[in-house]
Amino acid sequence: QLQLQQSGPGLVKPSETLSLTCTVSGGSVSSSTYRWAWIRQTPGEGLEWIGSFSDGGSSNLNPSLKSRVAMSVDTSKNQFSLKLISVTAADTAVYYCARQPTAAGIDYFGMDVWGQGTTVTVSS
Amino acid sequence: DIQMTQSPSTRSASVGDRVTITCRASQSISTWLAWYQQQPGKAPKLLIYKSSTLESGVPSRFSGSGSGTEFTLTINSLQPADFATYYCQQYSTYPYTFGQGTKLEI
Repeated sequence: QLQLQQSGPGLVKPSETLSLTCTVSGGSVSSSTYRWAWIRQTPGEGLEWIGSFSDGGSSNLNPSLKSRVAMSVDTSKNQFSLKLISVTAADTAVYYCARQPTAAGIDYFGMDVWGQGTTVTVSS
Repeated sequence: DIQMTQSPSTRSASVGDRVTITCRASQSISTWLAWYQQQPGKAPKLLIYKSSTLESGVPSRFSGSGSGTEFTLTINSLQPADFATYYCQQYSTYPYTFGQGTKLEI
């Protein structure tokens, strides 16, 4: 059973970079049948899809965050990561990683496996 | 962006009730819609994808329907574990977007 384990700091200072990692167990981040996604949740804005990518494929990012977001994969560690630069208090949220299964390259199944969530607070 | 609007925002119900939650998209998304259940302090859990396909392991009292811009999630014979918040999500067009949630309370 594939699981996603998130790690990263819970407190980030304003203007600094938020970095989170999601470790895949019970499966491979290199699988061509999945995309890997990041989502965040705030009480005010609800659930916000940040973006997704596949190993060796292109990434798709939310235009609202695109200029500040980078996603990457480390196949040697079976991990994928999120970096969000120049954070402000508005980036305070619970961040989730998730798996998006695909069929013939199409996101067909929604997001079927989620990490446990990381509460990130942006504050000095 | 495609706006997803759920109604109601809050629904009171009792164990054994049948409940329907509606999700409307601001433009057609065919059947590219998923439903999630979220318990407090937990990650969302996929219930239904492609509008009406039940995710493996999800009880059959959950069902989904709809296409285009209007979708429903129905829960038959509510169980205590079903009191949670439910979200719809479109994955037709980037950026993928979620409804604001429907809290199902006792």
